[in-house]
Amino acid sequence: QVQLKESGPGLVAPSQSLSITCTVSGFSLTSYGVHWVRQPPGKGLEWLGLIWTGGSTDYNSALMSRLSISKDNSKSQVFLKMNSLETDDTAMYYCARDLYYGSSNAMDCWGQGTSVTVSS
Amino acid sequence: ETVLTQSPAIMSASPGEKVTMTCRASSSVSSSYLHWYQQKSGASPKLWIYSTSNLASGVPARFSGSGSGTSYSLTIRSVEAEDAATYYCQQYSTYPLTFGGGTKLEIK
Repeated sequence: QVQLKESGPGLVAPSQSLSITCTVSGFSLTSYGVHWVRQPPGKGLEWLGLIWTGGSTDYNSALMSRLSISKDNSKSQVFLKMNSLETDDTAMYYCARDLYYGSSNAMDCWGQGTSVTVSS
Repeated sequence: ETVLTQSPAIMSASPGEKVTMTCRASSSVSSSYLHWYQQKSGASPKLWIYSTSNLASGVPARFSGSGSGTSYSLTIRSVEAEDAATYYCQQYSTYPLTFGGGTKLEIK
């Protein structure tokens, strides 16, 4: 059974950094990439970035200077780190598996999300 | 950046009605790279339709998708109460990957 589960700090002070872990089960990170997507309260979805099976990454250029995605295959964990947080970074943060369908890739399985509030 | 604009933002339908929502792209998107996600209130998004017209596992056959180039649509042949949700289109053609603003479907 494919599962992804995010864990994060809940509350982060402005200007501080955010670290979130996505722990996966039911598949290997050496076979599937993992995306990060966030959703501010009451708003739409924003793609943050992706780590591929080999460890290479692609980022949303609007956030690239503040973002870092890494992973530990042996622990089945993917990590998101974001620096210099602002109140606009308050959101639900999701990780999602990347699945190649033969003609395209899509996000076929999502975690439950972890809520992050940026506030002093 | 490829901007996806969904319309309408909110729609209301009675059970049994046929509904169609659209997704327009600011530049052409290959049909293979246009997907739809369903998100119910308080839940995570679910892949619903991939590559324009392929239903994800478990998606009822009353759903269908179509389109090409810059115009795509999701249709529900006969809406049911369980279809109440927000539907997002997403393009995987160019970076950054982008989502539309969503269409919220309410059931009367």
